[in-house]
Amino acid sequence: GAVVSQHPSWVICKSGTSVKIECRSLDFQATTMFWYRQFPKQSLMLMATSNEGSKATYEQGVEKDKFLINHASLTLSTLTVTSAHPEDSSFYICSARDPASGANVLTFGAGSRLTVL
Amino acid sequence: KQEVTQIPAALSVPEGENLVLNCSFTDSAIYNLQWFRQDPGKGLTSLLLIQSSQREQTSGRLNASLDKSSGRSTLYIAASQPGDSATYLCAGLSGSARQLTFGSGTQLTVLP
Repeated sequence: GAVVSQHPSWVICKSGTSVKIECRSLDFQATTMFWYRQFPKQSLMLMATSNEGSKATYEQGVEKDKFLINHASLTLSTLTVTSAHPEDSSFYICSARDPASGANVLTFGAGSRLTVL
Repeated sequence: KQEVTQIPAALSVPEGENLVLNCSFTDSAIYNLQWFRQDPGKGLTSLLLIQSSQREQTSGRLNASLDKSSGRSTLYIAASQPGDSATYLCAGLSGSARQLTFGSGTQLTVLP
């Protein structure tokens, strides 16, 4: 079945630094990937839709200049948290759509836990 | 805009009980409704996916139903076990961008 890999699975960084999280579709090509954020004890909130070869579509309230999304290939989308601050500490999860599974099935990565000191 | 609500937020039951988790959604024009399990600090495990044309799906001790007209879905867990303890999330796929909107989850604790 379709597999989505996220890296790193966890990262600790100092305030003010930038962190990049990768989301890879291992055995399929994904024209669309989604990035979610989950704060402790809360549900997943969609941050942005990443489209291969074009600009990402950000949800209301998500700063596009802070959360940079690049989807330069059909198997890789990256989320860069720029100038991270403690309030950015969260669990970030990506998902991708495998065309072979149909337009309505998303495969999720295992998530990346970011802790900003 | 789709909104998904889950009740209760937390549930504690003794082992062996049958239980029902509830999920409601505001936009009935969904493509599908999915139930996930999330263990503490972990990612999502897909449990059941119900297409908009379906009424229910079953997998082992789990049964999920979908009623689009009322905007509701339920997850039935039979003969609960301590290993079922986790947070259960429902999510509806809708919209032109086919985005998943998640509920806030039900934290289930099954006591041995």
